[in-house]
Amino acid sequence: DTQMTQSPSSLSASVGDRVTITCRASQGIGNYLAWYQQKRGEVPKLLIYAASTLQSGVPSRFSGSGSGTDFTLTISSLQPEDVATYYCQKYNSAPLTFGGGTNVEIK
Amino acid sequence: EVQLLVSGGGLVPPGGSLRLSCAASGFTFTSHAMSWVRQAPGKGLEWVSSISGSGGRTLYADSVKGRFTISRDSSKNTVYLQMKSLRAEDTAVYYCAKMTGGMPYSECDYWGQGTLVTVSS
Repeated sequence: DTQMTQSPSSLSASVGDRVTITCRASQGIGNYLAWYQQKRGEVPKLLIYAASTLQSGVPSRFSGSGSGTDFTLTISSLQPEDVATYYCQKYNSAPLTFGGGTNVEIK
Repeated sequence: EVQLLVSGGGLVPPGGSLRLSCAASGFTFTSHAMSWVRQAPGKGLEWVSSISGSGGRTLYADSVKGRFTISRDSSKNTVYLQMKSLRAEDTAVYYCAKMTGGMPYSECDYWGQGTLVTVSS
């Protein structure tokens, strides 16, 4: 099975900082990758699909890139409301594995 | 408006069974695959199972294969997760999610509120 490894597992950054989260697949998955945001006590929310397509209604400060095995979620200017845990998920084939998550906090 | 109402969670002893339901509305039910995703207390998201819009294709995580069964009833716009031989490690909040495509190889764009399943004696 393809493993999904996210890094870092947590980060602390200042408001306005550029934040980058990486997701690496152990085998190529094309662009079949989604990013989700989960705030404390809330259900996950889809941010990015097909590796780089922004879901409707998601702020443009969020962006995704990559294909094959290496993917990136970038927050161009971190806002207080972005405090959350972020997950990547592959969906090219079963199992539809999630990454371990990245906890983003404000410094 | 898409709505996913999840029900059926609760406390069950090890080895017991439970059936979760996810009643969907606000979209063409048979056009979309559906998934179950769980989250153990304080842990990350774990994909459990998915089913195609027609119901003809089902996928399972190895951790639940042979114990859990996903199904759907288009007359009731409801997806089910029948869980048997439950273990302590199945304790989690179980989310129902709508997938964007008809086949279970797409992202989840709407999520239900989740239901807590606790496996304990």
